[in-house]
Amino acid sequence: RKEVEQDPGPFNVPEGATVAFNCTYSNSASQSFFWYRQDCRKEPKLLMSVYSSGNEDGRFTAQLNRASQYISLLIRDSKLSDSATYLCVVLNAGNMLTFGGGTRLMVKP
Amino acid sequence: EAQVTQNPRYLITVTGKKLTVTCSQNMNHEYMSWYRQDPGLGLRQIYYSMNVEVTDKGDVPEGYKVSRKEKRNFPLILESPSPNQTSLYFCASSAPSRAQYFGPGTRLLVL
Repeated sequence: RKEVEQDPGPFNVPEGATVAFNCTYSNSASQSFFWYRQDCRKEPKLLMSVYSSGNEDGRFTAQLNRASQYISLLIRDSKLSDSATYLCVVLNAGNMLTFGGGTRLMVKP
Repeated sequence: EAQVTQNPRYLITVTGKKLTVTCSQNMNHEYMSWYRQDPGLGLRQIYYSMNVEVTDKGDVPEGYKVSRKEKRNFPLILESPSPNQTSLYFCASSAPSRAQYFGPGTRLLVL
């Protein structure tokens, strides 16, 4: 079993739609959680950290469920520019980041 | 501007010819790391460094070397590159237990 698992997609959605991604992690001692966005052939960029109480940044909402060991990302009112691969990332002891395989999102006009 | 820089951005080389990919960050981060990204395999960590003169192996260290003589620099060395090291390489840095910031990537082709 992979340490961080994501549905690879692609998720094809129309502009304006709401889309949600889930991610599960296997290490119950994981300390911090993040969502990164990666555009084709570019570097991953931090989208948002994920806090236990849930957090929102504009159209993006992240949730963490430690008991079930999953993380979610909700994108409301999707824009064409949201098309990218979204990486679920878990930080373990020793500053070790473990990446999910990514979920590809394609927003269509 | 806070950033992580890598050079070169693109490199074509031949098997066995030693090469170095440089990485530099201007954020005074203690932690630096190298990753490679391959289709279907995602991002995999090669080596990391918790601070100056402290380095350790990641998931796929074979065929690579690193050094951390200064806080800002973390070069990746391929002593004898082979075709299976053809990949997209990213350097990253962070403060302890914080999100990592990535360089723009180095695309390497080993013939």
